[in-house]
Amino acid sequence: EAGVAQSPRYKIIEKRQSVAFWCNPISGHATLYWYQQILGQGPKLLIQFQNNGVVDDSQLPKDRFSAERLKGVDSTLKIQPAKLEDSAVYLCASSPTGGYANEKLFFGSGTQLSVL
Amino acid sequence: RKEVEQDPGPFNVPEGATVAFNCTYSNSASQSFFWYRQDCRKEPKLLMSVYSSGNEDGRFTAQLNRASQYISLLIRDSKLSDSATYLCAQGGTSYGKLTFGQGTILTVHP
Repeated sequence: EAGVAQSPRYKIIEKRQSVAFWCNPISGHATLYWYQQILGQGPKLLIQFQNNGVVDDSQLPKDRFSAERLKGVDSTLKIQPAKLEDSAVYLCASSPTGGYANEKLFFGSGTQLSVL
Repeated sequence: RKEVEQDPGPFNVPEGATVAFNCTYSNSASQSFFWYRQDCRKEPKLLMSVYSSGNEDGRFTAQLNRASQYISLLIRDSKLSDSATYLCAQGGTSYGKLTFGQGTILTVHP
């Protein structure tokens, strides 16, 4: 079974530039999550999609971050403009339904972003 | 106060030792809890779910204490390969989102 695919694996940009990350969840998974993991910290949820609708984006810095999930499958996360503090690993995860609290999440390998 | 708090360690233990991690949570309404393992520069992977009755998987035992709002992970007979960061996670009261602690670093040495 194919896992959650993310690209690129690494990205280095200068502050104030724009960057986009892509995620393809496990086939058939209804729920998709973007997490931000800063070095030395645990993952922090940025946004959760249920199919192509947003369930929770309360911790997404909406002045610079945006995300979409067209057709309820692939998703892109964009940062525009990037700040130094955005340097982190961006993890995408998916789960089958998102409909119950103890459902297992499957994580992709992440995109490591360095903002210089 | 953070929703989920862990002692970041690091814990340095010899092979064969028993080590225990605790994790406290603030959302008393949560119904699900998990331990994830994260290797350096890798994604988190589910180690085990934590049930009210406690659960065991080989050398690993997880327990939930609702009264004191903490979960624990016990690792017996530590192996070098157990060296990793251990993340506890609390499920939300609805949907599948997880709130993670900052992680506890474990290093097992010969």
